[in-house]
Amino acid sequence: EVQLLESGGGLVQPGGSLRLSCAASGFIFSSYGMSWVRQAPGKGLEWVSLINSGSRTFYADSVKGRFTISRDNSKNTVDLQMNSLRAEDTAVYYCARRGPCASVCTYYFESWGQGTLVTVSP
Amino acid sequence: QTVVTQEPSFSVSPGGTVTLTCGLRSGSVSSSYYPSWYQQTPGQAPRTLIYNTNTRSSGVPDRFFGSILGNKAALTITGAQADDESVYYCVLFMGSGISLFGGGTKLTVL
Repeated sequence: EVQLLESGGGLVQPGGSLRLSCAASGFIFSSYGMSWVRQAPGKGLEWVSLINSGSRTFYADSVKGRFTISRDNSKNTVDLQMNSLRAEDTAVYYCARRGPCASVCTYYFESWGQGTLVTVSP
Repeated sequence: QTVVTQEPSFSVSPGGTVTLTCGLRSGSVSSSYYPSWYQQTPGQAPRTLIYNTNTRSSGVPDRFFGSILGNKAALTITGAQADDESVYYCVLFMGSGISLFGGGTKLTVL
């Protein structure tokens, strides 16, 4: 069974930093792309970042230059380093596994964690 | 700026059929955008329903059907049930690793 467990959320002041982590189990972690998706209170879902199986990284414009995604295939973890945080970064952050990419890639979010709340406030 | 559009809200009667759509403010949605659909109830993580336009995720009943209708992706729910009352999100893959969510459609079953 695929399991994704996020951690690292909390309260941080504007301009501060926070590092989120997602621990994965139940699948061959190194074979899958991993994403972060966030949801501000009362709002919709927003894709934040992707790291593919080859460790190539991609970011939404709203976080580019401030957030860094990374993965450790030896620990089955994917992290999101968030710097220069703003009030508008307040959200539940979900870790999501991408669909498989074998002979043909599937571009969707196949499995989800339960999320971790980040609050940016003075 | 690319914007993915969804109806803000929709209602359906129990047992009825409803079709939610997913479009682009400028342009047409095709299968080349690999549309996917997600269901979310309050306080819960999203649940994956449909990917690659019309492939149901594991365990999703065949009451949920994905398609392309005209210039939009569509999610059709037949035989609506009370627990279908949720917010439904579509996602389009824009290439270069980027995915875009629509704003979500709040479905009411009444």
